[in-house]
Amino acid sequence: AQSVAQPEDQVNVAEGNPLTVKCTYSVSGNPYLFWYVQYPNRGLQFLLKYITGDNLVKGSYGFEAEFNKSQTSFHLKKPSALVSDSALYFCAVRDIRDNFNKFYFGSGTKLNVKP
Amino acid sequence: IAGITQAPTSQILAAGRRMTLRCTQDMRHNAMYWYRQDLGLGLRLIHYSNTAGTTGKGEVPDGYSVSRANTDDFPLTLASAVPSQTSVYFCASSLRGGHEQFFGPGTRLTVL
Repeated sequence: AQSVAQPEDQVNVAEGNPLTVKCTYSVSGNPYLFWYVQYPNRGLQFLLKYITGDNLVKGSYGFEAEFNKSQTSFHLKKPSALVSDSALYFCAVRDIRDNFNKFYFGSGTKLNVKP
Repeated sequence: IAGITQAPTSQILAAGRRMTLRCTQDMRHNAMYWYRQDLGLGLRLIHYSNTAGTTGKGEVPDGYSVSRANTDDFPLTLASAVPSQTSVYFCASSLRGGHEQFFGPGTRLTVL
C-alpha cells in the first residue's frame, strides 16, 4: 500500500531561521515525490518534485527538498523563512510502477513563520 | 479559460438532493482527478481519469460518480447527498507520467 506521513500538524519558526517540514513515504517500488503549498481559500500549488537523479531538489520560492531512500523521507527545507511562507504544506507520492496516475497526499503541515 | 476552473465556488445543499460539481481544464492534460479536503485528513482521492473515456476509483469513491466524455471536462456527481459529504472539493489535472498536478480553486459544499 502507498502512503505518506507528515508527522507534524504544525511547525513554528521565526522569520530568518531555517525551516524543515517532514515527510516520510511508503511505496512498493520507487517513488515520485512532490511538495505542494496551499494558501487560505486557494487550491494547492506545486513547489517541487523528485523523479530521479540528484537527491537534493530545488523548487519555487527558495524551497528545496532532500530525497533519502534509506530513510524513505523527503523533507522540505528553506534556509531562511519568510512570514509569507506561512501556509499549509502537503507532501505527495506516486509509485512509478502505477499505471493509473494515482497520487497519495499527506495530511498536511501548517507552517507558521513569526516576525 | 486559463488552467482549471471549478463551479460552483460554494453550495449549500439539502440532504438527498443530487448535485454535480463541474471541472474544466484547458491545458490538454490527459489525467484528471477529484479530491476532497477535510480538516486533519488532508486530501483524499475520490475518482480519477487517465484519459478521456476512462475512469477509476480512488480512496473514497462511495456516493460519488464521474464521467470523462472529453479531455477538458470531468464532472463529479453526488447522486443523493449526505451530510458526511460536506467538504471542500478540488479538481486537478496532470500530464501522464511523473508530472505534477495542477489544482482548481475548489468548491465548498455544505450538505444539511
